[in-house]
Amino acid sequence: GAGVSQSPSNKVTEKGKDVELRCDPISGHTALYWYRQSLGQGLEFLIYFQGNSAPDKSGLPSDRFSAERTGGSVSTLTIQRTQQEDSAVYLCASSIGLAGGRYQETQYFGPGTRLLVL
Amino acid sequence: AQSVTQPDIHITVSEGASLELRCNYSYGATPYLFWYVQSPGQGLQLLLKYFSGDTLVQGIKGFEAEFKRSQSSFNLRKPSVHWSDAAEYFCAVYGQNFVFGPGTRLSVLP
Repeated sequence: GAGVSQSPSNKVTEKGKDVELRCDPISGHTALYWYRQSLGQGLEFLIYFQGNSAPDKSGLPSDRFSAERTGGSVSTLTIQRTQQEDSAVYLCASSIGLAGGRYQETQYFGPGTRLLVL
Repeated sequence: AQSVTQPDIHITVSEGASLELRCNYSYGATPYLFWYVQSPGQGLQLLLKYFSGDTLVQGIKGFEAEFKRSQSSFNLRKPSVHWSDAAEYFCAVYGQNFVFGPGTRLSVLP
């Protein structure tokens, strides 16, 4: 696609429910990243995919958070048993994925999913 | 552990004035350094990045940044600010991990 897209744009859920957030990267980009932007924590890295594998999951805040990527394209971030502190904007980015070091490449960000846990 | 600080939470400048946004990092070696901008209602956009070489880096939209190893700084500058530059600016560092600073909100007066 022309850019990174994310869905839904907004999600309101009740505490304890599970949510799935979707990211469609730019076509042909093999690297994909998830970030979280919240008032209390600022911008945080969550996880990085190269293809379908995730060599860096160091930013996932707890075992309630998981992510997968299928077909080297779409990625889903799942938050189980949501808590109020999970309320944030979840950002996805993609890059070409050719460089040896991933941050040498320009990342293109999606518009984010705004999650509110009541 | 590495960290990034942006000492100014909010800066207001007049249109046409010069701008400098401060960024300091803590890391044992020279990290990769980035500046991102987030405009209202829009996603994050990379302004510029430094990996090695010339310590003065040119970016998009007329921005530049200078890496100063002795001061562990990577300040962002623009000689003449436009109203459309009003946004949130984030400095980021990649050493062991990718870490963002807390951001500086820029307001531009007409």
